[in-house]
Amino acid sequence: GDSVTQMEGPVTLSEEAFLTINCTYTATGYPSLFWYVQYPGEGLQLLLKATKADDKGSNKGFEATYRKETTSFHLEKGSVQVSDSAVYFCALRSNQGGKLIFGQGTELSVKP
Amino acid sequence: DTEVTQTPKHLVMGMTNKKSLKCEQHMGHRAMYWYKQKAKKPPELMFVYSYEKLSINESVPSRFSPECPNSSLLNLHLHALQPEDSALYLCASSQSRPEKLFFGSGTQLSVL
Repeated sequence: GDSVTQMEGPVTLSEEAFLTINCTYTATGYPSLFWYVQYPGEGLQLLLKATKADDKGSNKGFEATYRKETTSFHLEKGSVQVSDSAVYFCALRSNQGGKLIFGQGTELSVKP
Repeated sequence: DTEVTQTPKHLVMGMTNKKSLKCEQHMGHRAMYWYKQKAKKPPELMFVYSYEKLSINESVPSRFSPECPNSSLLNLHLHALQPEDSALYLCASSQSRPEKLFFGSGTQLSVL
């Protein structure tokens, strides 16, 4: 079945460091891919998405490119802030519709 | 209004109690969801309502009983819960095709 694998956390960075959180997926067909973020004490929020190969999703300085050849959707940000501290979930939805499949989540902690 | 509102934010209940969680959205979304989330784990889908009809039940124990009184409201009735049911319960909504889920902040449930 479809699945998503994320790098394990926690990831601890200093402010202004470069961030990469790896995400790879297994799916039949052409799924849509998502990054959701969960700040402490809150629900999940959609951060960015991509619906076809080579699409780049971007929001709030974060970017991720849909790479079909490597089945990846890695999240990047050039300069993280303390306020980016959160848990990040990679997710996919198959092109047949149906539920979101989430990765295990990666906790990011940014220190001043 | 782009919010999903959940009440209560916190709930402590005994194993013999009956309680209800409530969720409300006014975005005109026709799909509503209940998820269960353990700390720093991905959310697990429990139920999906589409056009006020239950469309997905992920083999959830009968001590959890969902209800969708109208297109804006979603309830989760709880009865005879177990301590392992303690978790964050998240409500979400989306347009009929779930390209983007809007999550509430959740109800943190503790079962004693």
